[in-house]
Amino acid sequence: EAQVTQNPRYLITVTGKKLTVTCSQNMNHEYMSWYRQDPGLGLRQIYYSMNVEVTDKGDVPEGYKVSRKEKRNFPLILESPSPNQTSLYFCASGRGSNQPQHFGDGTRLSIL
Amino acid sequence: GQNIDQPTEMTATEGAIVQINCTYQTSGFNGLFWYQQHAGEAPTFLSYNVLDGLEEKGRFSSFLSRSKGYSYLLLKELQMKDSASYLCAVSDGATGGSYIPTFGRGTSLIVHP
Repeated sequence: EAQVTQNPRYLITVTGKKLTVTCSQNMNHEYMSWYRQDPGLGLRQIYYSMNVEVTDKGDVPEGYKVSRKEKRNFPLILESPSPNQTSLYFCASGRGSNQPQHFGDGTRLSIL
Repeated sequence: GQNIDQPTEMTATEGAIVQINCTYQTSGFNGLFWYQQHAGEAPTFLSYNVLDGLEEKGRFSSFLSRSKGYSYLLLKELQMKDSASYLCAVSDGATGGSYIPTFGRGTSLIVHP
């Protein structure tokens, strides 16, 4: 089954404790991206990747890092999480940046 | 950069027709997407328009006018399960040649009996 898998689905943690949200897709898609979704603000792009080893900042990259060492994986790293990063995060992939995106089920992060 | 505008909330009656509008300003338009997102779930792709005109897919249709920076999503024969948020996303080719989609804030549609 074609899918985008994110882990964990839920996480409550504390300020400053490094965390990684994993994202994996099995569709051989070149394009992958991370979004955060906050009430009243909609989906905002954090980082995106056009292909392996090619990543770029989206609209809200501060406080986040990503890597794309393999085509299927695109982890999101919060080196020193802060409460303002409490949000619902979605990973997505597509055949290209201008193609329909397939979204993971989301990760709800709470930073205390 | 882009400016994407869509109504925050709409209500409609089961069985009726509803039109959700999306207006945008962009410097290098290269396509417009509509996604559906049920509460607590991931967005799912509904439609894509890159040329002017109407694209029909069953009960859902999407229209685009590039000269007016305007699109709408038309939902016919509304069902209770159509209650969801509808996201308009515009692909902008101005970002260094890469076409990166930007999402509007979404329109929450409530269908009542």
